[in-house]
Amino acid sequence: ETGVTQSPTHLIKTRGQQVTLRCSSQSGHNTVSWYQQALGQGPQFIFQYYREEENGRGNFPPRFSGLQFPNYSSELNVNALELDDSALYLCASSQRQGAIDEQYFGPGTRLTVT
Amino acid sequence: TQLLEQSPQFLSIQEGENLTVYCNSSSVFSSLQWYRQEPGEGPVLLVTVVTGGEVKKLKRLTFQFGDARKDSSLHITAAQPGDTGLYLCAGRHNDYKLSFGAGTTVTVRA
Repeated sequence: ETGVTQSPTHLIKTRGQQVTLRCSSQSGHNTVSWYQQALGQGPQFIFQYYREEENGRGNFPPRFSGLQFPNYSSELNVNALELDDSALYLCASSQRQGAIDEQYFGPGTRLTVT
Repeated sequence: TQLLEQSPQFLSIQEGENLTVYCNSSSVFSSLQWYRQEPGEGPVLLVTVVTGGEVKKLKRLTFQFGDARKDSSLHITAAQPGDTGLYLCAGRHNDYKLSFGAGTTVTVRA
């Protein structure tokens, strides 16, 4: 069974640029969630995709957007990068089963905005 | 803003000692999960608790969900250096969004 993978591992961008991060979900999972983790903090929920539709969004501006593909892999796009966007971006996949939604995380993408 | 408050923020103990990490909230959760995260890696799921008052054991780790489903604790018996890491609790309401605490950094000295 293949776990959750993310690419790239590290990325450096300058303020104002755009970035795309990628996530491949674990085999058999149909749901992908994205989180932002600043240094010394717990992950903050950005949004979740279920069967290619956005299904819930956290307190992030519209310049954070995403996609989910038919194979359940996903992308996170961030436009007009700001210095505060520097963080570890985590993707988690899960297979929805009633009240239980156990999310399994990838290793993350470390984004640095200069 | 973290809906879940974790305490203590940092914990440093000697190998063989016991430790307890707490996770508290004013919100009721339908389920709560505990994760361990090592530097530069993603969180690894340890356990999910669903029922108020539930106790789950995973080798030397004991997890408890409060009766009112607002709080939880993680107890480690005879800690080992391999237990070192950031312990995160995450609660879920009736939607699928996980709300995380800020974490407790545990260091076990050999």
